[in-house]
Amino acid sequence: SYELTQSPSVSVSPGQTASIRCSGDKLGDEYVSWYQKKPGQSPLLVIYQNTKRPSGIPGRFSGSKSANTATLTISGTQLMDEADYFCQAYDSTIPVVFGGGTKLTVL
Amino acid sequence: QVQLQESGPGLVKPSETLSLTCTVSGGSISSNYWSWIRQPPGKGLEWIGYIHYSGSTNYNPSLKSRFTMSVDTSKSQFSLKLNSVTAADTAVYYCARQVLYGSGNFWTYYFDYWGQGTLVTVSS
Repeated sequence: SYELTQSPSVSVSPGQTASIRCSGDKLGDEYVSWYQKKPGQSPLLVIYQNTKRPSGIPGRFSGSKSANTATLTISGTQLMDEADYFCQAYDSTIPVVFGGGTKLTVL
Repeated sequence: QVQLQESGPGLVKPSETLSLTCTVSGGSISSNYWSWIRQPPGKGLEWIGYIHYSGSTNYNPSLKSRFTMSVDTSKSQFSLKLNSVTAADTAVYYCARQVLYGSGNFWTYYFDYWGQGTLVTVSS
């Protein structure tokens, strides 16, 4: 089965830039979406189609992709950005695949 | 603003059937696809499957075929049934709107609206 791999955790100091990566064998040919998940809340779409931000998502969130690795970048990270982040892509065999998630700690 | 609300029992006994319903408001259910996604305690997100308003479905092949989805457009609701539940089915279950985008051989799905989630515990 197709898998998306994320590092379990990333730490960043407030005001610094956080980079969260997602890798998969077919990502070079796919769109990637990113979700923020805070405890007790439902997931929030922060990036779709690799680089697009939904309305209401702060400009400090950006997405990029190079070959088989997608990156979610949070510039000027704030305490409120502490959350789990999941990447997601499409696969012809299983239409929706999520990465295992990355816990972002802001300290 | 599209809103989704899950409803259903919070506690189900092992081997019984779990039934959840998602009510869509603020938008038409007769567009896009509608999905169920779950998150077991301490684990990641797992896509269960989607249903189109026409009634066509697609389930996660990695899961055993215990899931059944249905849609009632007159009530703006779609539902999930899971047979023979076990403790491994304990999770927060979310419903979400699944958007299809693309052309040719380059497609994607993403989820732009989510319900608040409902915790389902399987225990005797």
